[in-house]
Amino acid sequence: GIQVEQSPPDLILQEGANSTLRCNFSDSVNNLQWFHQNPWGQLINLFYIPSGTKQNGRLSATTVATERYSLLYISSSQTTDSGVYFCAVDLNNFNKFYFGSGTKLNVKP
Amino acid sequence: GAVVSQHPSWVICKSGTSVKIECRSLDFQATTMFWYRQFPKQSLMLMATSNEGSKATYEQGVEKDKFLINHASLTLSTLTVTSAHPEDSSFYICSAPISDPYEQYFGPGTRLTVT
Repeated sequence: GIQVEQSPPDLILQEGANSTLRCNFSDSVNNLQWFHQNPWGQLINLFYIPSGTKQNGRLSATTVATERYSLLYISSSQTTDSGVYFCAVDLNNFNKFYFGSGTKLNVKP
Repeated sequence: GAVVSQHPSWVICKSGTSVKIECRSLDFQATTMFWYRQFPKQSLMLMATSNEGSKATYEQGVEKDKFLINHASLTLSTLTVTSAHPEDSSFYICSAPISDPYEQYFGPGTRLTVT
């Protein structure tokens, strides 16, 4: 089956710092989303980004589908950015998402 | 964005009993919904696809007789954990896609503890 790998597994930042999270996937995908899982377990949609670049405030994401990776950029990090970030991919438009292992982010004041 | 709800948000049950978890799409219709489980400090694992009006399809290794799925309407899917055991304790999350624009939305999850 498809392999979805995220790096780094853990990340500690000082408030105000920037970071880049990476998601590598082993096969061509039709859909890719980035999520933030808050401390209560809710998955919050960040980006739907099967290709190209999108920006939303301090967050932006880029997917290079031909090279099978996606990046999530967080600028000027805040303590509320803490949590686990997941990328998830859908191989063939069946809407079945396979998740990466996640990056646990801790932003310290 | 679209809203998906789950009920209950947490449940404690005794070993050997069955537990039903509901997943609802509140402001859109979903012919397909998905069920995931997440163990502590781990990622989400897809369990099954819930299809409105037909049988669910299960991922490899998921016991269909233990995890009964019913998609009774275009806004409701239920997951019943039958004869629960402590190893079934987990965080169960459902999701539903919308098509225009495409995006998949996740419920807030149900934390099941089997004692």
